[in-house]
Amino acid sequence: AQSVTQLDSQVPVFEEAPVELRCNYSSSVSVYLFWYVQYPNQGLQLLLKYLSGSTLVESINGFEAEFNKSQTSFHLRKPSVHISDTAEYFCAVSDQGYGNKLVFGAGTILRVKS
Amino acid sequence: DAGVIQSPRHEVTEMGQEVTLRCKLISGHNSLFWYRQTMMRGLELLIYFNNNVPIDDSGMPEDRFSAKMPNASFSTLKIQPSEPRDSAVYFCASSPSTRTEAFFGQGTRLTVV
Repeated sequence: AQSVTQLDSQVPVFEEAPVELRCNYSSSVSVYLFWYVQYPNQGLQLLLKYLSGSTLVESINGFEAEFNKSQTSFHLRKPSVHISDTAEYFCAVSDQGYGNKLVFGAGTILRVKS
Repeated sequence: DAGVIQSPRHEVTEMGQEVTLRCKLISGHNSLFWYRQTMMRGLELLIYFNNNVPIDDSGMPEDRFSAKMPNASFSTLKIQPSEPRDSAVYFCASSPSTRTEAFFGQGTRLTVV
């Protein structure tokens, strides 16, 4: 079975500052990794995913995450955040047998302040 | 495509009543998931269907909960009888294959009073 640990429940940061949201996973098999974002009263939207290939994956709005197998991590980073990035971010893992069956972390609330 | 469609968006019901939540999958998707989100327990997978067949229902909390896929594009999650501790946001998600991500609906906020 897989599990995900998101080390920070809330991350406050000023606008235009860099941010890192941490995610560690546990699994005995090969995995897929995902970051989802949830805005207030909304569903979850996929931000980015690692399925195979390059360990560095990027989103269209400037976020990136790097799969580190030795450290079992998939941290999310952005060099300069905007007010509109304020949301809750969920890291998720699945095993490659049922790659769409996701196990989620507890979530990290990113609060961007002006 | 309109995405995964859930109804109703909000439901308030009295303890003991039957509640039915509905989900329409994205056309062409063959996997269906029901998740529950609460402050205390986060996002929990309740049940997972693949090609209309339940693959994993180990997350269904108890016999009061049941889920069905009467056809390839539609699913229901029923709670009978409902209890206050069932209050949560219930999400439906669908996926085109087992080798990619799931797409989530907007959720149904259930309040049992």
